[in-house]
Amino acid sequence: EPEVTQTPSHQVTQMGQEVILRCVPISNHLYFYWYRQILGQKVEFLVSFYNNEISEKSEIFDDQFSVERPDGSNFTLKIRSTKLEDSAMYFCASSLADTQYFGPGTRLTVL
Amino acid sequence: GQQLNQSPQSMFIQEGEDVSMNCTSSSIFNTWLWYKQDPGEGPVLLIALYKAGELTSNGRLTAQFGITRKDSFLNISASIPSDVGIYFCAGQQFPGTYKYIFGTGTRLKVLA
Repeated sequence: EPEVTQTPSHQVTQMGQEVILRCVPISNHLYFYWYRQILGQKVEFLVSFYNNEISEKSEIFDDQFSVERPDGSNFTLKIRSTKLEDSAMYFCASSLADTQYFGPGTRLTVL
Repeated sequence: GQQLNQSPQSMFIQEGEDVSMNCTSSSIFNTWLWYKQDPGEGPVLLIALYKAGELTSNGRLTAQFGITRKDSFLNISASIPSDVGIYFCAGQQFPGTYKYIFGTGTRLKVLA
């Protein structure tokens, strides 16, 4: 069964550094998303992406964040200058329509 | 922002018991999804609900989309140890957004 995959599984970075989190959505899906989950809290929406542009974003998704679909398979989330409070699990999801399928996540630790 | 309240927050049950949890909101939702999350893993989709009143099963799991479109419940029958985890509801608000709002989660522990 097709799955969303994410790399790396764990990323440790210094505050102020840039990180890029990578995702390979399910191949025939059209909509792509990033969510995050701070330890012990609920999953929060960051951004949705369709037809090569952002379709919706939350207030969390500020100018430090950007997304890109550089080729036909990858979908990336870049955080330009990481802050301590960016430490969280970041989940990529994809969908053909309403039903979203999540990847296993990347644990980002900012020191 | 919109809130989805899940209850109970956590529950301990004996293996073999049935479990019921629900999700409520003051807002109307267009679609409800139920996910299970194991520690350190991503949410795994259990059941999707698309219409008010819809009742859908997936093995021992049954979920319903409330008639008012402001709530949903999930039942697990005859629980087993591998049912342990956190269960999240997620709602997609009407109209036309692809953003899902997640509930606060129900942590389930099953005692063998």
